[in-house]
Amino acid sequence: GAVVSQHPSWVICKSGTSVKIECRSLDFQATTMFWYRQFPKQSLMLMATSNEGSKATYEQGVEKDKFLINHASLTLSTLTVTSAHPEDSSFYICSVTPPLASHEQYFGPGTRLTVT
Amino acid sequence: DAKTTQPTSMDCAEGRAANLPCNHSTISGNEYVYWYRQIHSQGPQYIIHGLKNNETNEMASLIITEDRKSSTLILPHATLRDTAVYYCIVRVIQGAQKLVFGQGTRLTINP
Repeated sequence: GAVVSQHPSWVICKSGTSVKIECRSLDFQATTMFWYRQFPKQSLMLMATSNEGSKATYEQGVEKDKFLINHASLTLSTLTVTSAHPEDSSFYICSVTPPLASHEQYFGPGTRLTVT
Repeated sequence: DAKTTQPTSMDCAEGRAANLPCNHSTISGNEYVYWYRQIHSQGPQYIIHGLKNNETNEMASLIITEDRKSSTLILPHATLRDTAVYYCIVRVIQGAQKLVFGQGTRLTINP
């Protein structure tokens, strides 16, 4: 069965609005979750590392004030795209790492965001 | 993490073995070779990983050369559902670490 869920699976929003994407670890508590972004016909690019109870670590070039990450519990991390613009349209994917098998990563099914 | 090089695309006939190569000539002694695949519009799926010995599981086999500078992922009896982008990644196993994805190989299984 699924180890990681994401909600919503797809969303369409208007330019200037904010969108929240949830990533849930279903089988274990995850102190670390990762957020990736994938544009059409491109590979996955890591956006940030989400750490439970502390601030997320953002990759170079990713605006932390635009992509707000909250990892408030051991099973839930959220990514909020603030003031979305059409160029933010992408496939957003999260992954989780089991606490006793930290070399493994399980990916969520992804969330397709379209900003009009 | 070391960089990997993979062919952009490959084709394979259904029922035949699909052999996907990966070059990682700068791999370090403590880096593992991981393979993931991504079926269209889905999240990546773990396939297999290894350090220096050949590995096999229910999905695939991983053959790593003796000098560890390259490897081959083998899908023994490819099906149409194996059509996906396959990513070869090298990384250390040291806590929760991000994965750095290259462009991968787009494998198409033809009927």
